[in-house]
Amino acid sequence: ETAVFQTPNYHVTQVGNEVSFNCKQTLGHDTMYWYKQDSKKLLKIMFSYNNKQLIVNETVPRRFSPQSSDKAHLNLRIKSVEPEDSAVYLCASSSGPAGQNTLYFGAGTRLSVL
Amino acid sequence: GEKVEQHESTLSVREGDSAVINCTYTDTASSYFPWYKQEAGKSLHFVIDIRSNVDRKQSQRLTVLLDKKAKRFSLHITATQPEDSAIYFCAASRGSNNRIFFGDGTQLVVKP
Repeated sequence: ETAVFQTPNYHVTQVGNEVSFNCKQTLGHDTMYWYKQDSKKLLKIMFSYNNKQLIVNETVPRRFSPQSSDKAHLNLRIKSVEPEDSAVYLCASSSGPAGQNTLYFGAGTRLSVL
Repeated sequence: GEKVEQHESTLSVREGDSAVINCTYTDTASSYFPWYKQEAGKSLHFVIDIRSNVDRKQSQRLTVLLDKKAKRFSLHITATQPEDSAIYFCAASRGSNNRIFFGDGTQLVVKP
């Protein structure tokens, strides 16, 4: 049963536009994540938030910025998208550190940049 | 940092046979090793994990083996079924923080 909800499912945009993706979890977890999955299915961690505090910020381009209003929500904004941003963006949550606990993933947001 | 490698990018088996997916890691301090499954067009979900205090863990048709000396762990699926067809990701972490490292995935195809 889905407990990590992502919107939108798909988004098509043009180079240079700004996009925002939303994620909400109803599991009561303290930690949320954004992962990028490319066309080869490779997973890359982008950001991790623990109860609204950024705790991992991998070396992603500055045009990406996470936003969290509370521990149940973690959004992702991309200013001025580039073609290489085309990917599936996966939101996840865990009850504690990912290094010890199961990650629960959302269905993903597929971004296509034309 | 940690590097997790999955040795098989694609694995094809016949329905009813066993499948084995192998992973190696580089960080001797890694202590938590989960596996995730991604079916076609869907997201990832957890299937099984193992911690470094044991060398074997079984859940129904899935068994994970851990060889700490060789820094190797593997997922064994017995009596494979078509619904086992998916990409399987192994991962490793030190267990103390939010850093978890994924392998590149193994596409398992179960042929009828």
